[in-house]
Amino acid sequence: DAKTTQPPSMDCAEGRAANLPCNHSTISGNEYVYWYRQIHSQGPQYIIHGLKNNETNEMASLIITEDRKSSTLILPHATLRDTAVYYCIGANYGQNFVFGPGTRLSVLP
Amino acid sequence: GAVVSQHPSRVICKSGTSVKIECRSLDFQATTMFWYRQFPKQSLMLMATSNEGSKATYEQGVEKDKFLINHASLTLSTLTVTSAHPEDSSFYICSAPGQGSSPLHFGNGTRLTVT
Repeated sequence: DAKTTQPPSMDCAEGRAANLPCNHSTISGNEYVYWYRQIHSQGPQYIIHGLKNNETNEMASLIITEDRKSSTLILPHATLRDTAVYYCIGANYGQNFVFGPGTRLSVLP
Repeated sequence: GAVVSQHPSRVICKSGTSVKIECRSLDFQATTMFWYRQFPKQSLMLMATSNEGSKATYEQGVEKDKFLINHASLTLSTLTVTSAHPEDSSFYICSAPGQGSSPLHFGNGTRLTVT
């Protein structure tokens, strides 16, 4: 798995966009960038993943830089329920994930 | 979508007893499953990789005789914590890769408390 670096914590106002950065400068050409989040005492929840193109789904958007050394997860309209620890992971399909400490996002009313 | 079910969600046991945790893939087959452990305020750490029909692969520092893994079918893997001690109290989470290009699917975890 690629080593990833994320800020330990971020705050975001409710209703605003939350932009969570991730550095993965050692990611290899066939490793995907995955984003998961974990709400207290639950298993990780899948959010989105991508290889090199930007991706969007009903939960979030993923912007990957052209050199693939970093990416940003965007939650377009954060709600209080989005408060969680967000993990960015670089891995191949079917591989186990190596979890870093993630980013603790606090959405504030 | 693909779902991984984990049971029980919470268990309290006495020191010296054994506890079994089940992980099931509900609508897909999983020849491989991953078991993680998470201590309070820490991230998930891979303990072992469970392989259907063969022995599990354990990460360095994880005692295979203490954490018994059985992957008896394509939809079920079990983790048994033998002779549990209070330091084994943790949050145990399993996951399985989905079909084709699907991401890893995670169970909801099992909170083990050893008294």
